[in-house]
Amino acid sequence: EAGVAQSPRYKIIEKRQSVAFWCNPISGHATLYWYQQILGQGPKLLIQFQNNGVVDDSQLPKDRFSAERLKGVDSTLKIQPAKLEDSAVYLCASSQTPAGYEQYFGPGTRLTVT
Amino acid sequence: EDQVTQSPEALRLQEGESSSLNCSYTVSGLRGLFWYRQDPGKGPEFLFTLYSAGEEKEKERLKATLTKKESFLHITAPKPEDSATYLCAVQASGSEKLVFGKGTKLTVNP
Repeated sequence: EAGVAQSPRYKIIEKRQSVAFWCNPISGHATLYWYQQILGQGPKLLIQFQNNGVVDDSQLPKDRFSAERLKGVDSTLKIQPAKLEDSAVYLCASSQTPAGYEQYFGPGTRLTVT
Repeated sequence: EDQVTQSPEALRLQEGESSSLNCSYTVSGLRGLFWYRQDPGKGPEFLFTLYSAGEEKEKERLKATLTKKESFLHITAPKPEDSATYLCAVQASGSEKLVFGKGTKLTVNP
């Protein structure tokens, strides 16, 4: 079974530029998550989708971050404009429903903002 | 607010030297406690889910246990390939969000 796919793996941008990350979850997983992991910290949830709908985006900085999940499968996370403090690894995870199932993570995208 | 504290931050062991990692948590109703392993440059890899106090799960040299306030990850006779960061996360009742600790970086020397 294929795992969670993410691209790109690495991205370097200057502050105030925009960037987008892509995620393809495990086939059949209805729930998709985006996490931010700053160096030395555990992952922090940014947004959770159930199929096409947003379940939790309470920790998403909505003035600069946006995310969408078209047709309930792939998802993109965008940052515009980027700040230095956005430097982190952005992890995508997916899980089956109902809740309680383990989340499976992709390899992440390492973003460096200079 | 749900919180997870892991200790120690880093642990260095000799091959074959057994030890335990601690995960203390406060949560408004525990739905599940999760252990993940994370290797450098990779995403977290699922290890265990524990749902109720007294529950134990084992996988190879790893054994996870759960009480009402903390969880332990016991590592028996570790090998160098067990070197990684081990993350603990809790999921509260009524939520699917995982709240992670900062992790314990384990190094096993041959």
